[in-house]
Amino acid sequence: DVKVTQSSRYLVKRTGEKVFLECVQDMDHENMFWYRQDPGLGLRLIYFSYDVKMKEKGDIPEGYSVSREKKERFSLILESASTNQTSMYLCASSYSFGDQPQHFGDGTRLSIL
Amino acid sequence: GQNIDQPTEMTATEGAIVQINCTYQTSGFNGLFWYQQHAGEAPTFLSYNVLDGLEEKGRFSSFLSRSKGYSYLLLKELQMKDSASYLCAVNGGYQKVTFGTGTKLQVIP
Repeated sequence: DVKVTQSSRYLVKRTGEKVFLECVQDMDHENMFWYRQDPGLGLRLIYFSYDVKMKEKGDIPEGYSVSREKKERFSLILESASTNQTSMYLCASSYSFGDQPQHFGDGTRLSIL
Repeated sequence: GQNIDQPTEMTATEGAIVQINCTYQTSGFNGLFWYQQHAGEAPTFLSYNVLDGLEEKGRFSSFLSRSKGYSYLLLKELQMKDSASYLCAVNGGYQKVTFGTGTKLQVIP
């Protein structure tokens, strides 16, 4: 079974802090994704990566950056956290061939105070 | 641009059948996913439709009409554990998947 693991389930940080969210997958998937999920807005794509060291902006990349140094690990970085980045963050991964479904982690509920 | 519409909430009775609709207007279309998400949990894959028609998988079926920009998820013999949000997502190609806002289904006894 595919396992996508996010480093924290709940996280509380302060405005202006640099925040790192980590995601690891164990299925050798080429693609990895970061979403945020907000009530009434659904899942919105922040960034995705289709290979090591490769990244593409999603729909809402402002205020975020990502890092993919190893195939199994994809990090989301909030450069200077703000209160409007309080949200549920979901990581996902998938194979690149064909139209493969994404497999999601359990999410990190991040609160910025 | 991408526009995906689903009803926000639905209520149905245990043992009944419910149909959750999804309409989309997207700049690219390779196929349509349905995911289930229980409260506080990760979304899990239910189905993927590429061609027009109905695909059945146990109690769950998914239908697609590409010409109408329309899909639905049909849940039969509803169980209490089916209470969850159901997310419709369009595969626009190039690994780009756009999600609808989800339909929260409540199953009542």
